[in-house]
Order: sequence, then structure tokens, then C-alpha cells
Amino acid sequence: DVVLTQTPPTLSATIGQSVSISCRSSQSLLHSNGNTYLHWLLQRPGQSPQLLIYLVSRLESGVPNRFSGSGSGTDFTLKISGVEAEDLGVYYCVQGTHAPWTFGGGTKLELK
Amino acid sequence: EIQLQESGPGLVKPSQSLSLTCSVTGYTITSGYDWSWIRKFPGNKMEWMGYISNSGSTNYNPSLKIRISITRDTSKNQFFLQLNSVTTEDTATYYCGTFAYWGQGTLVTVSS
Repeated sequence: DVVLTQTPPTLSATIGQSVSISCRSSQSLLHSNGNTYLHWLLQRPGQSPQLLIYLVSRLESGVPNRFSGSGSGTDFTLKISGVEAEDLGVYYCVQGTHAPWTFGGGTKLELK
Repeated sequence: EIQLQESGPGLVKPSQSLSLTCSVTGYTITSGYDWSWIRKFPGNKMEWMGYISNSGSTNYNPSLKIRISITRDTSKNQFFLQLNSVTTEDTATYYCGTFAYWGQGTLVTVSS
């Protein structure tokens, strides 16, 4: 199975600070069809996960543009440009290129 | 708007079967998407369990392959999870959906 390693496991930020989360894959996530099925989710406390970014860098409808995704191959990054209080929760990367689909271990974003 | 709702017993005894239903509104499950079951264990670990496609084919996580079955009732726009021979390690919050659309989740505890 593909292993996704997220760092850091915990992130403390102040409101307005910009932060990044890394997701490193044990193998390339480039599919033979040319797509890279690496997505980012946020699970706020007490809520279901929410899709933020799909296919590495595409912003899901309704998601603020302070969220951005980048990367290729095995290394991917989620950036939040100016953390807001509603951004707190656990962030996950997830890959759908190789079966079985797998998740990173999560990064908990807390207020400093 | 696509909405999903999980339902089923919150407590299952070890060695018995876990059965959950996902009711979908706002979209016909035969129209598109792969409809997954995903679970979150105590802590942050997430696991994709499997899906039933809009055409009715299934794809399971090999770690669960001998215990899992995902089926559907297109007349009710529902799909189902059955997990056999459960142990306490199957205690988790179970979600149905796609990566873009999630149910609220249902906590299933395996305990005698």
C-alpha cells in the first residue's frame, strides 16, 4: 500500500499566520492517465471531513482561496495563507492513484 | 445538494456482523461517482474500506477483502456496508460518501 507521511503532526499558529503542511508519498502518485490523485481534506471538531483541494492544486467549490495545494510525484504541500479561526482541525492528505486509497496520518492545526 | 446519511446499530458484539446503510439524497447513485465507506479510528487514523461504483462494480481494501461486502438498492438510492467477524479493532466512526460529499458519520462500538 502507498504510505503517505504528513508533517508536522501538530501545527500551532496565530490568526493571520501562513502555514504549510507536507505530504510525502512512498511512491509516485502520477497515474498512467496523466492525473495525480492527491487531495486534501479538513476535519473540523465534531464535523465530517471536507474536501479542500483535489488533484493536487484544484480548489473545491466554496473553499476560500487562502488554501492552495502544490507538488508533484511524491511530494505535496498544502498552504494556508493567513490562518483564520475556522481553519482549526485535522488536515489529511489522501491518494486515489493506487488501490487501496490511503490517507496520511493527519496534521492537527491549533491556535497558538 | 447531495446529502448522505449513515444509519445502523451503534453497538455490535465481537464475532458478529456490522451492517450500515447510507441513504443518498440530491443525486442518483447510478449517475456517477464511486460510493465509498471510510472509517476513522480513535485517534486520527483514517481507512478507506471500499466502494461501489455507479455501475455497481465493487473495489475493496485488500486488508478487509474476506470480511467486507458493499451492495446497493438503486430503487431506494441507498448503499450498504456489511463487515463480518468484527473485533474490538473495528470500533470506529464510519462514514459513507465520496471525497467531495460525506455523511455525518456513525460511531460503531464493538464490545460484548
